[in-house]
Amino acid sequence: TQLLEQSPQFLSIQEGENLTVYCNSSSVFSSLQWYRQEPGEGPVLLVTVVTGGEVKKLKRLTFQFGDARKDSSLHITAAQPGDTGLYLCAALSGTYKYIFGTGTRLKVLA
Amino acid sequence: NAGVTQTPKFRVLKTGQSMTLLCAQDMNHEYMYWYRQDPGMGLRLIHYSVGEGTTAKGEVPDGYNVSRLKKQNFLLGLESAAPSQTSVYFCATGGLAGFTGELFFGEGSRLTVL
Repeated sequence: TQLLEQSPQFLSIQEGENLTVYCNSSSVFSSLQWYRQEPGEGPVLLVTVVTGGEVKKLKRLTFQFGDARKDSSLHITAAQPGDTGLYLCAALSGTYKYIFGTGTRLKVLA
Repeated sequence: NAGVTQTPKFRVLKTGQSMTLLCAQDMNHEYMYWYRQDPGMGLRLIHYSVGEGTTAKGEVPDGYNVSRLKKQNFLLGLESAAPSQTSVYFCATGGLAGFTGELFFGEGSRLTVL
């Protein structure tokens, strides 16, 4: 059973558009991470959010951790072709187990 | 500095054959993980290790075995490969667990079982 559900599964948008990706769970987590994966490579960490309600910004990317620490969102402003990739949320389940979400595959068209 | 290295990067097996994937890290990390990635499923944890000589089951351990005889190496074995094990396998490592633990991934090993 996947504990982290992401939506949408696929997203294809034009350059310059805004988008939001969601990561939802019925479980409470102490922190949540977002990774981006490009074809032929492993995922790379973008950000970690640790406090309920926390908002972090990374250039055009805004990450939010839900107040109840069960969900998170990633908002991209003015998407660029370089943002294309698979976005994965991840969280600690127990002490050592990092579990990942189902992923959102984003394609930004020039 | 190689980071996390997986070998082999590609492999084709016939049903019933066995093989071992090797993950080697030079970051002195305690924790190592094996994930499989399938379309629409994200990454699913197979097995993990929290230190030399220790292993534990993840979400989808059936059909796989692992060993961590040395801190820098984590081996994933398939004793009798099945078509359902066709996937891309990723190894990841991490230092101390905690709120901001970052995982570092290898480039993946693509396995096809015919």
